[in-house]
Amino acid sequence: QVQLQESGPGLVKPSQTLTLTCTVSGGSVSSGSYYWSWIRQPAGKGLEWIGRIYTSENTNYNPSLKSRVTMSLDTSKSQFSLTLSSVTAADTAVYYCARFSCSVGSCLPDQDWGQGTLVTVSS
Amino acid sequence: DIVMTQSPDSLAVSLGERATINCKSSQSVFHSSSNENNLAWYQQKPGQPPKLLIYWASARESGVPDRFSGSGSGTDFTLTISSLQAEDVAVYYCQQYYSAPRTFGQGTKVEIK
Repeated sequence: QVQLQESGPGLVKPSQTLTLTCTVSGGSVSSGSYYWSWIRQPAGKGLEWIGRIYTSENTNYNPSLKSRVTMSLDTSKSQFSLTLSSVTAADTAVYYCARFSCSVGSCLPDQDWGQGTLVTVSS
Repeated sequence: DIVMTQSPDSLAVSLGERATINCKSSQSVFHSSSNENNLAWYQQKPGQPPKLLIYWASARESGVPDRFSGSGSGTDFTLTISSLQAEDVAVYYCQQYYSAPRTFGQGTKVEIK
């Protein structure tokens, strides 16, 4: 059974860069059929899909965040990461990592999720 | 982006009664190559990540009780809880995974009357 665990700073100052890491256990981030995604949720609000990564050359970001987002994989550590630059208070949220699978011609929704990590943007 | 709109925003249902949540997408999420609607339903309880209940609009995820069912096609979908249990109190979200960015409905809060 795969498990995903987010880690990173709980507090980031405005205008700085946020970096979160998701560690995958019970599976490999280099598994050919899985895609790795980030989703966030401000307190008391709904879910926002940030983007996903398949390989370092195959990423897809939400256009609303695209100019500030970078995702990467570290297969040696079975981790994938999210970097969000120039953060503001509006980026304060619980950040989740998740995975979904795809086969020929079709994908599934995000089936496996981490527990989430709260990131607060404040000076 | 595909906009997902749920109704109602909240509902209160008596234990054992039926709960129905609607979800409408701004464009069809039917994927012709798979012949499936790329629509999922999630349940989220306080302090927990969302849990996948339904995918392909009507396929129940493994381990999900059969009182949860999904229906609909194209742009209009429904999640039904046939007999509400106390443990079903949660916020429910629909999600389209037809195209990027994947988008969610605003959520429907289900409570006990």
